[in-house]
Amino acid sequence: GAGVSQSPSNKVTEKGKDVELRCDPISGHTALYWYRQSLGQGLEFLIYFQGNSAPDKSGLPSDRFSAERTGGSVSTLTIQRTQQEDSAVYLCASRDMRGATDTQYFGPGTRLTVL
Amino acid sequence: GQSLEQPSEVTAVEGAIVQINCTYQTSGFYGLSWYQQHDGGAPTFLSYNALDGLEETGRFSSFLSRSDSYGYLLLQELQMKDSASYFCAVRHGGATNKLIFGTGTLLAVQP
Repeated sequence: GAGVSQSPSNKVTEKGKDVELRCDPISGHTALYWYRQSLGQGLEFLIYFQGNSAPDKSGLPSDRFSAERTGGSVSTLTIQRTQQEDSAVYLCASRDMRGATDTQYFGPGTRLTVL
Repeated sequence: GQSLEQPSEVTAVEGAIVQINCTYQTSGFYGLSWYQQHDGGAPTFLSYNALDGLEETGRFSSFLSRSDSYGYLLLQELQMKDSASYFCAVRHGGATNKLIFGTGTLLAVQP
């Protein structure tokens, strides 16, 4: 079976532009997470989806960041008016809520560079 | 606040045993996970401890002491391919089960 996929793998944009990052979770996984990883740092939680709703958005750093999920599957993270400090790797993870496992399965990430 | 502390770097030789420690201070705690991340790759799950004690999975073991807010990852019979970053992460629990990650330990395995 396919794992979590993300696109694009790399994105270079100019300061002030909007970007959209896409995540395709593992089929059947209802829980979806977005994290951000700055160079040499750990992963920083951004937002959590259960189905199409986002009960925890506490990690979004500003109102320039938003995310949605449709059909209980694909999710899009949107960053408006990008700033240089937004440069990071954005990672998506999904989890199967049906079992007892804690495991989150991560995608390869999108490396965002804001010039 | 929430914090997890782990050593930034560890160096060991092939065939050796290495222990990576993690201490945590978080507002919620359901368990401690460990993830491995090779340079440029996705984090991959290694182990999870919800209860005190040792969990063993092949060459890797993980330990948790909830009373001490402390855990460690033990890697035995080190191989060159084990060179990677290792992150401890607290499962926060509640409605989200989000993970709160440490800053990672870079393990360098030398011949």
